Amino acid sequence: NAGVMQNPRHLVRRRGQEARLRCSPVKGHSHVYWYRQLPEEGLKFMVYLQKENIIDESGMPKERFSAEFPKEGPSILRIQQVVRGDSAAYFCASSPGLINSPLHFGNGTRLTVT
Amino acid sequence: RKEVEQDPGPFNVPEGATVAFNCTYSNSASQSFFWYRQDCRKEPKLLMSVYSSGNEDGRFTAQLNRASQYISLLIRDSKLSDSATYLCVVSTSGTYKYIFGTGTRLKVLA
Repeated sequence: NAGVMQNPRHLVRRRGQEARLRCSPVKGHSHVYWYRQLPEEGLKFMVYLQKENIIDESGMPKERFSAEFPKEGPSILRIQQVVRGDSAAYFCASSPGLINSPLHFGNGTRLTVT
Repeated sequence: RKEVEQDPGPFNVPEGATVAFNCTYSNSASQSFFWYRQDCRKEPKLLMSVYSSGNEDGRFTAQLNRASQYISLLIRDSKLSDSATYLCVVSTSGTYKYIFGTGTRLKVLA
């Protein structure tokens, strides 16, 4: 059973470019979460999605950031016109959506903006 | 007040010691509780869920105190490999939102 798969593991972008981060949840999990972690800081919730729907995006910046979880394929977190402050580890997690079920995390994507 | 609060530490303890962490939460409607561990620059990994009656997994014991709104993690006979950051996670019924504490750093010294 494959766990949560994220790619790429490392991503380097110049300021102004676009970053696309992909996440395939555990097979059978329909709930996907994205978190951001800055160096020496805790995990910050960004967005929660179910298939084809954004349920809660209260933690995601209103500009330049977007997320989707299409019917087919992985969830995508897109950051347009990246800035140095976007450099962080981005973790995706999935759950089956049942009460008391824990989150399962992917290895993360480490984004570096130069 | 933060929704989930933890003492950041670090807790420096010798091998073989017993160490305990607490985590407080502010929302009385919180329903699910977990402890995760995170090693440097890696993803959080589930250590254990926390049940109302308390639960144990080997050297690890988790407790929930709903009246005082905190959960605890006790580690007995600490190993060097227990050195990590321990994250408290709380989920509230009906929201599917998981709130992470900032973590407590543990260093087990030889």
